[in-house]
Amino acid sequence: GAGVSQSPSNKVTEKGKDVELRCDPISGHTALYWYRQRLGQGLEFLIYFQGNSAPDKSGLPSDRFSAERTGESVSTLTIQRTQQEDSAVYLCASSLAPRDRGNQPQHFGDGTRLSIL
Amino acid sequence: KNQVEQSPQSLIILEGKNCTLQCNYTVSPFSNLRWYKQDTGRGPVSLTIMTFSENTKSNGRYTATLDADTKQSSLHITASQLSDSASYICVVSANGQNFVFGPGTRLSVLP
Repeated sequence: GAGVSQSPSNKVTEKGKDVELRCDPISGHTALYWYRQRLGQGLEFLIYFQGNSAPDKSGLPSDRFSAERTGESVSTLTIQRTQQEDSAVYLCASSLAPRDRGNQPQHFGDGTRLSIL
Repeated sequence: KNQVEQSPQSLIILEGKNCTLQCNYTVSPFSNLRWYKQDTGRGPVSLTIMTFSENTKSNGRYTATLDADTKQSSLHITASQLSDSASYICVVSANGQNFVFGPGTRLSVLP
């Protein structure tokens, strides 16, 4: 079956522009995560969606970052007024079960490589 | 502070050899520990998930161990192949609420 799909795979934009990244999770997966991975570093948690519950936004680094998810399907991560330090790979993952229930693995997309000039 | 450390930072081995990667964590309360493989330019792929009561789990040539008392885990790769070249990431779940990611070990398998 289809895995987690992210688009675009690469995005180059000028400092100050807004960008929107898209994630299509695996069908039926209620949990969805966004992470940021800077070059040579570990994954940083950004935001977590679980069904229709209020999202956990505790990892968002600033108010320039926001994310939405429509029900249990597509999610978009928006970065406004991009800065050079936003350059990174943004990874999306989905999981069959909530993070506090069961030991289901996270299934990751291949990420969007964002470069801010 | 919840932290996951991995060693070595990078490792080079010859094809066919075995290797062991280490993970130390200071995450509390502990829920489970995961190992992921991340190929260059790709997203991480799950290898194993272990709970507190499990001290070993295998997935083909990959065997993970967990010592919850010393808060250490290892990932042993047997008879390495060129396709094993990747970053290996240790992830610890804190009370099922947060996933704490290690920085990864970069493994290169040479012919």
